Amino acid sequence: GEDVEQSLFLSVREGDSSVINCTYTDSSSTYLYWYKQEPGAGLQLLTYIFSNMDMKQDQRLTVLLNKKDKHLSLRIADTQTGDSAIYFCAESIYYGGSQGNLIFGKGTKLSVKP
Amino acid sequence: DAGVTQSPTHLIKTRGQQVTLRCSPKSGHDTVSWYQQALGQGPQFIFQYYEEEERQRGNFPDRFSGHQFPNYSSELNVNALLLGDSALYLCASSLDVREGSNNEQFFGPGTRLTVL
Repeated sequence: GEDVEQSLFLSVREGDSSVINCTYTDSSSTYLYWYKQEPGAGLQLLTYIFSNMDMKQDQRLTVLLNKKDKHLSLRIADTQTGDSAIYFCAESIYYGGSQGNLIFGKGTKLSVKP
Repeated sequence: DAGVTQSPTHLIKTRGQQVTLRCSPKSGHDTVSWYQQALGQGPQFIFQYYEEEERQRGNFPDRFSGHQFPNYSSELNVNALLLGDSALYLCASSLDVREGSNNEQFFGPGTRLTVL
């Protein structure tokens, strides 16, 4: 079945880079997403990548995709205390050509120490 | 643009009761999906509504039902509440897209349901 896996915790120092990793199972996924969730809040879409790309950069965020290994990563440059949150990787699953739904990992809790 | 809104923000119910949660999608969006997020877990897909019909459903029992109105807003109903239904319920809106297109979903702040 579909499954998305992430490491549960990551701790970095302010100013360092953070790398959050994710593996997914559905090789037909055409888009992959990174969401951020702060305590008590909903999910904020950070960025996404199309499966025919291997890298996408958006300001401090860099997404790397290894489609062969079904591995996705999110790099946050110059990590700040405000980046402390839970980060979710998600893949889009389609059934019969209709609108799909998202399959999420359990989330990686990023803690940034001053 | 108000984005996706949900009501209420918090709700406390007892086992066996019924609950209705509400969602208004982002302006211009016609598709609403509902997710359940248990504590410490990622969101799990419940179902999706488009053109006032349930189009897809995740692995949830029939106690979970929904509705979409002509203005695209949606309700999630849960009957015969169990302790295990305690979770954050998230609504997401999107445009109707087909396979291979960007399934970008925008989430509301959620409704925190506690079942005692």
